[in-house]
Order: sequence, then structure tokens, then C-alpha cells
Amino acid sequence: EVQLVQSGAEVKKPGESLKISCKGSGYSFTSYWIGWVRQMPGKGLEWMGIIYPGDSDTRYSPSFQGQVTISADKSISTAYLQWSSLKASDTAMYYCARQGAVAGTSFDPWGQGTLVTVSS
Amino acid sequence: DIQMTQSPSSLSASVGDRVTITCQASQDISNYLNWYQQKPGKAPKLLIYDASNLETGVPSRFSGSGSGTDFTFTISSLQPEDIATYYCQQYDISRGFTFGPGTKVDIK
Repeated sequence: EVQLVQSGAEVKKPGESLKISCKGSGYSFTSYWIGWVRQMPGKGLEWMGIIYPGDSDTRYSPSFQGQVTISADKSISTAYLQWSSLKASDTAMYYCARQGAVAGTSFDPWGQGTLVTVSS
Repeated sequence: DIQMTQSPSSLSASVGDRVTITCQASQDISNYLNWYQQKPGKAPKLLIYDASNLETGVPSRFSGSGSGTDFTFTISSLQPEDIATYYCQQYDISRGFTFGPGTKVDIK
């Protein structure tokens, strides 16, 4: 079974750094892009960026370029999303999702989500 | 940037009703249009890919159509378990991925 399992919920203070993870299993981790999607409380889905673990080629949405860093460690089939200095406005649910096997422009499956709360 | 609009933003329908959601792109995206279902507190789930293809395991009451700039998502007979928010999503090779604002569906 293809599965993405994300790290647990985080509570941080403004200015702190954070790195959340997304571990893939059940497929060739290096052969599919993995994307990150933000969902702020009560809001819609926003694409943040995408990485190809095979060669670490990374693309960012212009809205998130410079705000976050996406990386991957193919030796442990894990993708990461990190912040160097969190803001209260980073409070959101963050999902990772794999490139669709049939339709490469879709996301399937998705991780269960990681809730990030930034509050002083 | 390619902008995606969805309508309506919310709807309320009875069990058994036919429900239709539209998604419009600001420029031609061919058939690079996917539909997702997100139930409360859950991750999104892919239902329809490439505008009209039903993902494996998804009930046949769900369907999609369209190409270019105008797309339609239909639930032929609304069921209680279909209560969710539905999102369209497009891919553009130069700008990446964009989600529509979502349509919240509930039971009347």
C-alpha cells in the first residue's frame, strides 16, 4: 500500500525554527514528485512547492519562495518542510502528497497532515 | 498566474439530488484539471483526474467533464457520506499547481 506518514503536531513560538517530515512507503520514493500543501484554519488548499527526491529538484510557488525550504533524504524515503523563523501566520495544517501514478499533474495519495501552531 | 474560480461556494441539497459544481480557469489548461474531496478533519482525496477520469475505487456517481477553461464536477445522486468540500486543481508547467477556492456541500 502506498502511504505517506507525516510527523506529529507542533506548537512553537514566533521566531523559532521547525522541520516537519513526510515518510513515503510502498513505492519507489525516488521516482515520484512530492508536494506540500498548506491549509490555514477554515480556509482552502494552497500549493507550496514540490520536490523530486531522485535528484532533489525543487520548485516553489511564488507565494512561498523564500519563506520555506523543501528537502528530501532518499536514503530514508522522507521529505521535509522547514521554516527558519516561524510567524503566527504560519499556523496551519500542512499536507504532503505524492504525484499521482496515472495523472502526473495530480496529487495522490496524501499524508494525514501535520498541524503547526505558532503562538507566543 | 492562472486563476481558478469555483461555483457555487456552497450548496445544500437533498439525498438523491444531482449536484453540479463548476470550475473555470483564467486561461486554457487543456484537460489538466483534477477534483478532490475533503471531508471535515481529513486529508483531501483524489476523485477525478485529467478532467474526466474516475480514480480507482471512487463510486461511479461522481463524474467530471470539460476541457480548456470550463469544467464540471457532478454527483449524480447525493449520498450522506458525500458531505465534504470539493476542490478543483490545475497544473501549469510554468507556474505549478493551483487549487480552486472550494465548494462546500451539505445535506438539506
